[in-house]
Amino acid sequence: DSGVTQTPKHLITATGQRVTLRCSPRSGDLSVYWYQQSLDQGLQFLIQYYNGEERAKGNILERFSAQQFPDLHSELNLSSLELGDSALYFCASSFRTGATGELFFGEGSRLTVL
Amino acid sequence: EDKVVQSPLSLVVHEGDTVTLNCSYEVTNFRSLLWYKQEKKAPTFLFMLTSSGIEKKSGRLSSILDKKELFSILNITATQTGDSAVYLCAVEARKNNNDMRFGAGTRLTVKP
Repeated sequence: DSGVTQTPKHLITATGQRVTLRCSPRSGDLSVYWYQQSLDQGLQFLIQYYNGEERAKGNILERFSAQQFPDLHSELNLSSLELGDSALYFCASSFRTGATGELFFGEGSRLTVL
Repeated sequence: EDKVVQSPLSLVVHEGDTVTLNCSYEVTNFRSLLWYKQEKKAPTFLFMLTSSGIEKKSGRLSSILDKKELFSILNITATQTGDSAVYLCAVEARKNNNDMRFGAGTRLTVKP
């Protein structure tokens, strides 16, 4: 158990809908990262937050947004969903923002868009 | 554009074999390279490498980095069925916007 909690574990929805994925980082970790993993693909970096502020942006679509709240949990919002958004979405946390080092991953939220 | 390339994409071996997984990278302002093991769900950390030529070792696993040739290898000796997993290589760049770029992974299957 990494200490990172993600909910929901599974989510099935229809095209055009909006969903919110939630992540609670390890106790004491200030940085939260979101990754997307499609079938047989590596982890695609989406976005990073540190202590409530956005610090880095990867290949995140405009239809996607995220935030980190004062209690350090984070939410990833996916809207106008398309079939291609079906993937495993991972949240990871670390203590620092620079010299990231080891990331601790949650178990992921599997999104299926029908 | 930053790139992390792993090879082979998949590998099937028998218990007791030794395997070598490769990771090459092109990253501006390299900071570190990390290896993760992904079995069913969440990747778990194996090694972090920042200096060339210094081997990191943990049991039957070891890894080394070559910053001149821009690659790393992960060795697993005396493989066991429990080593079956996807092995991910990630590279961190020293930038204002920090992120960690992952390769596509190598899927290792160890047969009894």
